[in-house]
Amino acid sequence: DTEVTQTPKHLVMGMTNKKSLKCEQHMGHRAMYWYKQKAKKPPELMFVYSYEKLSINESVPSRFSPECPNSSLLNLHLHALQPEDSALYLCASSPGLAGGLGHEQFFGPGTRLTVL
Amino acid sequence: AQKVTQAQTEISVVEKEDVTLDCVYETRDTTYYLFWYKQPPSGELVFLIRRNSFDEQNEISGRYSWNFQKSTSSFNFTITASQVVDSAVYFCALSEAIQGYSTLTFGKGTMLLVSP
Repeated sequence: DTEVTQTPKHLVMGMTNKKSLKCEQHMGHRAMYWYKQKAKKPPELMFVYSYEKLSINESVPSRFSPECPNSSLLNLHLHALQPEDSALYLCASSPGLAGGLGHEQFFGPGTRLTVL
Repeated sequence: AQKVTQAQTEISVVEKEDVTLDCVYETRDTTYYLFWYKQPPSGELVFLIRRNSFDEQNEISGRYSWNFQKSTSSFNFTITASQVVDSAVYFCALSEAIQGYSTLTFGKGTMLLVSP
């Protein structure tokens, strides 16, 4: 199994809602990532988990709360989002400690989030 | 700070034309890795190639070829005999170590439109 899966594919939420994005991989990778991608822009790194521990938080607002329950799963909990948070949220994984310098990251198809 | 520049925002070609996507990078590291990813309209980032800084051999994979030149800090990507299915956004990325972990710095991407 060489894929990263993400659910849901699309999500529409109000500013007062609480929702979660899910990401799963069964490649035995020990590094997992959340990216945010706005239209016509490159992906921006949000969080990195290595061996289920949060390694990097790129100054992401606290309304985004990541969680790594085990080595195969990565969640992103959303609460009190703003319309400007509407974007494609991509999950990725790579082998080794935070992927190692040269390891490619495998990306999921993303969740397209709209905040009303 | 590391930087990846993809100067071409959008390229339009007709099917069967050859097309080259440019990528120029900046880094102070002597060991680094460069990547190309493809992002079709569906949104998923698809890994195409990885090249490390010590390997300047050009690579060919079917209709795809890559030209890595350290002297000019460039890692260009050529598609020969383009097809409509090649239409996508292509990202060049540089692997860097931050706080002891590895992350990707993406260029802004080049949108390739191949018309029949």
